[in-house]
Amino acid sequence: DGGITQSPKYLFRKEGQNVTLSCEQNLNHDAMYWYRQDPGQGLRLIYYSQIVNDFQKGDIAEGYSVSREKKESFPLTVTSAQKNPTAFYLCASTSKTNQPQHFGDGTRLSIL
Amino acid sequence: AQKITQTQPGMFVQEKEAVTLDCTYDTSDPSYGLFWYKQPSSGEMIFLIYQGSYDQQNATEGRYSLNFQKARKSANLVISASQLGDSAMYFCAMRELNTGFQKLVFGTGTRLLVSP
Repeated sequence: DGGITQSPKYLFRKEGQNVTLSCEQNLNHDAMYWYRQDPGQGLRLIYYSQIVNDFQKGDIAEGYSVSREKKESFPLTVTSAQKNPTAFYLCASTSKTNQPQHFGDGTRLSIL
Repeated sequence: AQKITQTQPGMFVQEKEAVTLDCTYDTSDPSYGLFWYKQPSSGEMIFLIYQGSYDQQNATEGRYSLNFQKARKSANLVISASQLGDSAMYFCAMRELNTGFQKLVFGTGTRLLVSP
């Protein structure tokens, strides 16, 4: 079945450590997105990519980095510069036409 | 700037009854799309229904329908015949279609609790 796979489901970060969240899709979608969700709130856009080797900052990009070397993959790195990384992270993708975004199951990141 | 407002933090409904979840939006783009997503406690976001700004009729998908009032800038989700499995967070989102980038802006959500 086509879909979006995020891993790991749970992740713990130590102080000063960078961690990378994986997002893989087999939907042949061009555009991919990373969102952050804090408790009781909606989703906020971190980064997005419309084509391979190109990505743009979203609304809350500080302390995060991404890469888009393959169409299927859009990993997110939470760097030590992100001082409040505890949140639920969701990856999404869509085709270029006016279609809804498909989401992965999310990664819950916590600080040790 | 585009904005989505969901004023109901929580809603309660009895099983088999209908419920309306409110959503108002603000945009200066005449071409936009409105989406509703369901988020169960497990966390995944499930797409429910879509309404385009130029669509002549209100969207329907099974038990879900969208009460789209363009002049009032509202796009309320109506769930008919509620089921226990409908208990979840519901998010309204909007995408402006003339920006060249398909950014979704989300509201803060409404938590729906369906009781037996």
